[in-house]
Amino acid sequence: KQEVTQIPAALSVPEGENLVLNCSFTDSAIYNLQWFRQDPGKGLTSLLLIQSSQREQTSGRLNASLDKSSGRSTLYIAASQPGDSATYLCAVKSNDYKLSFGAGTTVTVRA
Amino acid sequence: NAGVMQNPRHLVRRRGQEARLRCSPMKGHSHVYWYRQLPEEGLKFMVYLQKENIIDESGMPKERFSAEFPKEGPSILRIQQVVRGDSAAYFCASSPRIETFQETQYFGPGTRLLVL
Repeated sequence: KQEVTQIPAALSVPEGENLVLNCSFTDSAIYNLQWFRQDPGKGLTSLLLIQSSQREQTSGRLNASLDKSSGRSTLYIAASQPGDSATYLCAVKSNDYKLSFGAGTTVTVRA
Repeated sequence: NAGVMQNPRHLVRRRGQEARLRCSPMKGHSHVYWYRQLPEEGLKFMVYLQKENIIDESGMPKERFSAEFPKEGPSILRIQQVVRGDSAAYFCASSPRIETFQETQYFGPGTRLLVL
């Protein structure tokens, strides 16, 4: 059974600081790993998807790395902004369709 | 192309009542997934459906919960005789076909169920 853990559970930083969010998973036999953003009362927005054969993905200020052998992924957000305040979820796909989620890291960026 | 739609967005029920949650997948999507998010926890897979078929319901509680995705109309997640522990956010996701490793599931805004 795949277990996904996200550390820290919450993070508060001043605007402009870089963010580092961690995700670990127990079973390295994965199809892909995905980072989502969840805003209060809203659905999930996919940020980055890293295939199992890849080491990282980048989109704008976001960069996600994947070390499948050690069961770890890190999401970096450069030069944080108040609009980055949200909960960030890590999800691992271990078969054709089932996603296993971490509990999330709630980020607050102070202006 | 409208996204995944869920209704109601908020639902309040008293213990013992029934809750019906609806999900309309994105246009062209024939695969639907339901997830539940309990307070302070991550989303947990409940069930995977295709039109008129339940493919995997391994995450569904054995009693009181059922799901369907009829040929016409939205997917329905039904909870009978709700209890306070059913209070959670229920998310629906859809995809166009059995996913390859390159594809993602598209999530709806969720239904927040509160059982009094």
